[in-house]
Amino acid sequence: GAGVSQSPSNKVTEKGKDVELRCDPISGHTALYWYRQRLGQGLEFLIYFQGNSAPDKSGLPSDRFSAERTGESVSTLTIQRTQQEDSAVYLCASGPTHEQYFGPGTRLTVT
Amino acid sequence: DQQVKQNSPSLSVQEGRISILNCDYTNSMFDYFLWYKKYPAEGPTFLISISSIKDKNEDGRFTVFLNKSAKHLSLHIVPSQPGDSAVYFCAATIAGNMLTFGGGTRLMVKP
Repeated sequence: GAGVSQSPSNKVTEKGKDVELRCDPISGHTALYWYRQRLGQGLEFLIYFQGNSAPDKSGLPSDRFSAERTGESVSTLTIQRTQQEDSAVYLCASGPTHEQYFGPGTRLTVT
Repeated sequence: DQQVKQNSPSLSVQEGRISILNCDYTNSMFDYFLWYKKYPAEGPTFLISISSIKDKNEDGRFTVFLNKSAKHLSLHIVPSQPGDSAVYFCAATIAGNMLTFGGGTRLMVKP
C-alpha cells in the first residue's frame, strides 16, 4: 500500500523567504507528526496532530514555524522568513497509534 | 536533558553473527518503545516495537528486549546480514504522543 509521501523532496531557498512543505499521510492514520533532523544531530519533534484535537505544538522552535492539517488528511508545515539554521531534513510520520511510519523527508537548504 | 540515549555511536559485526544494539532511557512514564532503521537520504523505517507491559517481542531476525527496572532496551539481530548496515534509532513515547529518539547507532555488518 501507499506509504507516507512528502513534497518537495528537496528545496533550496534564500534566507528570508517563506517555504511550505507538504505531507500526505497513510490513509486512515489519525495521528500525524512532523520532525526534523539537522546535520549531525538527532531527530527533533516539531508538532503532532491527533484527529480533531488541538495540535501539540510544543516542539516548534519559533513562531516562524506553523503547521496545519486538513481533517485526517494532508498537512503542510510552513516556515516564514527562513534562516540558515532552518536547514534540515523535515520528516513527516503518520500512525494509527504508538507506531509511526515515516515519509522520505524534505531536505531544506537555506542559502 | 537526553531522555533516550544510545551510548554506542557505532557497532561493527561479522555477517552471520548477532548484532546487539542498546538503548537507555530516563523517563519512567514511557510506555512504548520502538526501533527504526535509517539509510542515508531516506526516512526512518519502522522495525519493531514493544509495550512497557512486555519484556520481549520477536519478529523474524529481530528481537527487542525491555528491562524496565534498568530502564534499558536492546535490539538483537540474528543472523546479521550486510543489508542490515544502517543507522538504528531507538525511540520512546508516552500514550502515542511524539517520539523521543536516541542519537542512533551506526551498524556495519561485514561480509
